Amino acid sequence: DIQVTQSPSSLSASVGDRVTITCRASQSIGNYLNWYQQKPGEAPKVLIYAASSLQSGVPSRFSGSGSGTDFTLTISGLLPEDSATYYCQRGYSVLAFGGGTKVDIK
Amino acid sequence: VQLVESGGGLVQPGGSLRLSCAASGFSFSDYFMSWVRQAPGKGLEWVAWIQSGSAYINYADSVKGRFTISRDNAKSSLYLQMNSLRAEDTAVYYCARLRYIDSWFSDYWGQGTLVTVSS
Repeated sequence: DIQVTQSPSSLSASVGDRVTITCRASQSIGNYLNWYQQKPGEAPKVLIYAASSLQSGVPSRFSGSGSGTDFTLTISGLLPEDSATYYCQRGYSVLAFGGGTKVDIK
Repeated sequence: VQLVESGGGLVQPGGSLRLSCAASGFSFSDYFMSWVRQAPGKGLEWVAWIQSGSAYINYADSVKGRFTISRDNAKSSLYLQMNSLRAEDTAVYYCARLRYIDSWFSDYWGQGTLVTVSS
């Protein structure tokens, strides 16, 4: 089956930094790729769906890009409240998640 | 929109458990639904989804043949019957609503219910 792999598994960045997280699919998945944010003790929250569409209510500093096998989540201007784990997810059939990227604030 | 899971608890290896998810605040029968789990300290793992009318269902390979997803639209409820449970099934289980806009994604989630498989 098609796998989705995230990198890096963790990163540390300063407030105001631009942060990029990558997700790679083992085969082309078109634009069927979503991004979620999860904070400790909370349920996940969708940020981006269909590779680049911003979910309603999500700050515009979050953006997604890519298609086919390579996708990127970008946080432009990291804020303290962005400390969380981020997951990509295939968006059809087997809705597999990537392994996650933990983002810490320096 | 509210999703409330219940039914979690401690069960012995090889045992069974049935999770429930009570939905409110939306037309439950119009939406696909899904279960996602998260083992302690680990990442998210999609478990299964079910079409609005129960005609189409899909499972992760890790649970296929052991877990059964079902729904009762009259009761606005989603279920997960878990049989032949293993230690590696220990996780928080989330119920989530699925929505399609050029991709299937979960726009609402419950708070989760903890399942612990241990002797």
